[in-house]
Amino acid sequence: AQSVTQLGSHVSVSEGALVLLRCNYSSSVPPYLFWYVQYPNQGLQLLLKYTTGATLVKGINGFEAEFKKSETSFHLTKPSAHMSDAAEYFCAVSSFNDYKLSFGAGTTVTVRA
Amino acid sequence: DAGVIQSPRHEVTEMGQEVTLRCKPISGHNSLFWYRQTMMRGLELLIYFNNNVPIDDSGMPEDRFSAKMPNASFSTLKIQPSEPRDSAVYFCASSFRDTTTEAFFGQGTRLTVV
Repeated sequence: AQSVTQLGSHVSVSEGALVLLRCNYSSSVPPYLFWYVQYPNQGLQLLLKYTTGATLVKGINGFEAEFKKSETSFHLTKPSAHMSDAAEYFCAVSSFNDYKLSFGAGTTVTVRA
Repeated sequence: DAGVIQSPRHEVTEMGQEVTLRCKPISGHNSLFWYRQTMMRGLELLIYFNNNVPIDDSGMPEDRFSAKMPNASFSTLKIQPSEPRDSAVYFCASSFRDTTTEAFFGQGTRLTVV
């Protein structure tokens, strides 16, 4: 079975500061890893994904994540937070032989002016 | 494409009533997922279909829940009878497994059972 653990249910950052959201995964096969963002009363929107190839992946809105197999991690970063980044962020895992996405518990990001 | 379309967006019903949630996946996608989101349990996968066939329904909480996908462009999730603990946001998502890998989500249906 595959699973992800997101460290920290709430993160508060100042506008312009680094955003770092942590995700560790468990998978017996090479994983596919995803970060989704959810704004209030909306569905989930894909920020970025890793399947194969380059381990540093760039997504929308200035976010990026790095796949580190040795650490079983896929942490999400953004160099400079913007007020519009306030949302809930979900890490998810699947694989080539398992269609379903398994989600972490989510991390709520608040941005202070 | 308009994306994944779910209806209704909001549903309020009385305990014991039947509730049907509807989903139209993105055209050409061959996998469809139903998720439930609550504060206590987060995002839970209820069931997923591949090529209209249910592959894994182990997340369906009990026999009161059922899902169908009669064709590639339509799916329903039915709860009968509904209970207050079924109150949640229900999301439908679709993907084209062979190429995109990621799932595209609808806006969700907020269900309140009173």
